[in-house]
Amino acid sequence: DQQVKQNSPSLSVQEGRISILNCDYTNSMFDYFLWYKKYPAEGPTFLISISSIKDKNEDGRFTVFLNKSAKHLSLHIVPSQPGDSAVYFCAASERGSGNTGKLIFGQGTTLQVKP
Amino acid sequence: EAQVTQNPRYLITVTGKKLTVTCSQNMNHEYMSWYRQDPGLGLRQIYYSMNVEVTDKGDVPEGYKVSRKEKRNFPLILESPSPNQTSLYFCASSLLESYEQYFGPGTRLTVT
Repeated sequence: DQQVKQNSPSLSVQEGRISILNCDYTNSMFDYFLWYKKYPAEGPTFLISISSIKDKNEDGRFTVFLNKSAKHLSLHIVPSQPGDSAVYFCAASERGSGNTGKLIFGQGTTLQVKP
Repeated sequence: EAQVTQNPRYLITVTGKKLTVTCSQNMNHEYMSWYRQDPGLGLRQIYYSMNVEVTDKGDVPEGYKVSRKEKRNFPLILESPSPNQTSLYFCASSLLESYEQYFGPGTRLTVT
């Protein structure tokens, strides 16, 4: 049972435009959400995160929005750059119930930013 | 440089031949974990460790073993590899109180 889902396997946008990557989750006990970025032949690297007590977090060109009632989060990249082309993973964590540090990942979305 | 290292990066082996993938971190992190990445499934946790001599199963532990004898090292052991363990493996580490995990570069394993 996939608790974190990224339903779009791929996304293609033009340089300078907005990229919106989506993620849905089923477990209401998740209390922290992260986005990781992965280039080929490298490990995932942390990009941005959000606590469940917030609905928005910004870091430069990257903004994550959380809609708890819909169990949905999204990552906005504005403006998109060719160097943003990578696989993006959404991940969730559930600390409160004693699950210790496990991140549950979505399937990933491959973003291609065209020059 | 703060990093998580894995060795080997690529490995092709045959069914039943025991192998070990090493993982080492230089950030004094208490928490370490192994994940496997498969197409359409994202990353799934195999085993994790909260500190030396403390390990526990993740979501897909069958066919794997781990040990944590030193804080910096967390090797993944496949006693009798099978073709369904062909995958891309990542080691990760973090401070115990942090959600953000640092990942190694990955080990691509092929079992024939």
